[in-house]
Amino acid sequence: ETGVTQSPTHLIKTRGQQVTLRCSSQSGHNTVSWYQQALGQGPQFIFQYYREEENGRGNFPPRFSGLQFPNYSSELNVNALELDDSALYLCASSLRTSGGNEQFFGPGTRLTVL
Amino acid sequence: KQEVTQIPAALSVPEGENLVLNCSFTDSAIYNLQWFRQDPGKGLTSLLLIQSSQREQTSGRLNASLDKSSGRSTLYIAASQPGDSATYLCAVRGGSQGNLIFGKGTKLSVKP
Repeated sequence: ETGVTQSPTHLIKTRGQQVTLRCSSQSGHNTVSWYQQALGQGPQFIFQYYREEENGRGNFPPRFSGLQFPNYSSELNVNALELDDSALYLCASSLRTSGGNEQFFGPGTRLTVL
Repeated sequence: KQEVTQIPAALSVPEGENLVLNCSFTDSAIYNLQWFRQDPGKGLTSLLLIQSSQREQTSGRLNASLDKSSGRSTLYIAASQPGDSATYLCAVRGGSQGNLIFGKGTKLSVKP
């Protein structure tokens, strides 16, 4: 167990809708990263939040947005859902230090867009 | 742009065999490399993390090596068991605070 939890486990939405996925980090971890994993692919980096501000973003459009809260929880919001957004969404928490930050992954949220 | 490749994409072996999974990356300027295990529909479990200054890491029946100059890493699994069946992912980090860049994984099946 990594101490990182995600909710919900599964979610079904229709095209055009909006969705919010949640992540609870390990206590004390000040950094959270979100990844999208399509079927049969490796995870792709969406963005990272450090101390409640976005601190790095992958090749994803602005309709993917996030929030990080002081209590170590975070959200991934996706607007105007498209069929290709169907994937496993993973969050990873870490403690940023000068020596780097090993990331600990949650179990993921499986999003299906119909 | 960093790219990570894992070969083979799938592997099926009989129980008890020793096996090697391969990972290659195009940019040798990495901070560290990490091997993960993923069971179907589940999250990622970290197996081994190798810092760029290290050559290998071991945990139980697992041994991971890193050759930064050639852009290669291998994950060696000794005496494989059916419980080892899963997808194994390799990921590299470009900087101390950078994100992970993943390969597509190797799907391992160990037959009893």
